[in-house]
Amino acid sequence: ETGVTQTPRHLVMGMTNKKSLKCEQHLGHNAMYWYKQSAKKPLELMFVYNFKEQTENNSVPSRFSPECPNSSHLFLHLHTLQPEDSALYLCASSQAGGVGTDTQYFGPGTRLTVL
Amino acid sequence: EDKVVQSPLSLVVHEGDTVTLNCSYEVTNFRSLLWYKQEKKAPTFLFMLTSSGIEKKSGRLSSILDKKELFSILNITATQTGDSAIYLCAVVGDGLTFGKGTHLIIQP
Repeated sequence: ETGVTQTPRHLVMGMTNKKSLKCEQHLGHNAMYWYKQSAKKPLELMFVYNFKEQTENNSVPSRFSPECPNSSHLFLHLHTLQPEDSALYLCASSQAGGVGTDTQYFGPGTRLTVL
Repeated sequence: EDKVVQSPLSLVVHEGDTVTLNCSYEVTNFRSLLWYKQEKKAPTFLFMLTSSGIEKKSGRLSSILDKKELFSILNITATQTGDSAIYLCAVVGDGLTFGKGTHLIIQP
């Protein structure tokens, strides 16, 4: 099953680089999410998109810029990151976001290292 | 490919009942197993298990890991309507793999 895919799986970048993470869901869902999973910290919700519209931004620094061109694709554009941004970035999707209890399906994540 | 299977996928019980949720896994380079409770937004962390046979407990919730049989259970005793949620199991190996969750509904 290839429900939610993420590319690349691993990424190493310098602080001055610009890179993008990609997420694609093949489940016909309408909501997509970006999460950050740092070592020894709980899962942190970053952004939520519903029907391509951003509905939540949890005080994420502007060096992280999400883009949702359609309900199946979600990008996270990265620029001038800091070493403390190194983490596992997880994408998830659900039928509809923020409406009742809605199962989220997670991708495998992108392991990001910022040097 | 790492795999995490949760059962049952959904469960409806009455308040006061005890429930047991299951999580089995096949993971390369197992490091830990995580349980999360998901309500309306981001999942909230419940337990992290790394050693076999050691029960972790938090109030009415408890969990245990069996690394030989490759599974974990999450128990909830004296259930309350506030326990209604999706319970996610995730395993840390070379990556982080989530199960599909168990949708638990507690009826008054």
